[in-house]
Amino acid sequence: NAGVTQTPKFQVLKTGQSMTLQCAQDMNHEYMSWYRQDPGMGLRLIHYSVGAGITDQGEVPNGYNVSRSTTEDFPLRLLSAAPSQTSVYFCASRSGAHQPQHFGDGTRLSIL
Amino acid sequence: AQKVTQAQTEISVVEKEDVTLDCVYETRDTTYYLFWYKQPPSGELVFLIRRNSFDEQNEISGRYSWNFQKSTSSFNFTITASQVVDSAVYFCALSEARTGGGADGLTFGKGTHLIIQP
Repeated sequence: NAGVTQTPKFQVLKTGQSMTLQCAQDMNHEYMSWYRQDPGMGLRLIHYSVGAGITDQGEVPNGYNVSRSTTEDFPLRLLSAAPSQTSVYFCASRSGAHQPQHFGDGTRLSIL
Repeated sequence: AQKVTQAQTEISVVEKEDVTLDCVYETRDTTYYLFWYKQPPSGELVFLIRRNSFDEQNEISGRYSWNFQKSTSSFNFTITASQVVDSAVYFCALSEARTGGGADGLTFGKGTHLIIQP
């Protein structure tokens, strides 16, 4: 089982560029989430989805956009990259609201 | 608002020592779930345990044990006879069963970096 797959693993962007972080899961999970991890900050929720066509904002949504057209995919878009968005991004899925989250391996993003 | 506090930023012990990682949480809900995750140096996040607010039984899994105490809002994690492979960042997290049903994911503590020296 692939579980949760994130691409790319590493990316360097220039300020102002846009890009999409991809996330796909093959476990038929309805719930998916995006987190960012910064040193000393733990993981913070960016956006989440409870099923295809349904998304909502988490704790730190500014500068990011999401969509959920299929159960499997939950891409995260950076609209205009800023140095403050330099971080490690994790996508996660789970089978129910309070079930354990399955995390992807993360995307390390640097904004210059 | 919910909150998770891991006051220990970093702990360093010698192999074979026992070590306890502290987790204190705040929530207004009577129904909630607590989690522990491990993040080894390779960077992935590994689920260790989930506990719901109605189950205060302590749990033991091999060298790992968890002590859940609602009276002190704590969910501490103990590693017995630590090993070098236990070196990692450990996160405690909380999910509330409130109006949104917990759909919005987890609130994480900032993590405790555990270093096991050989």
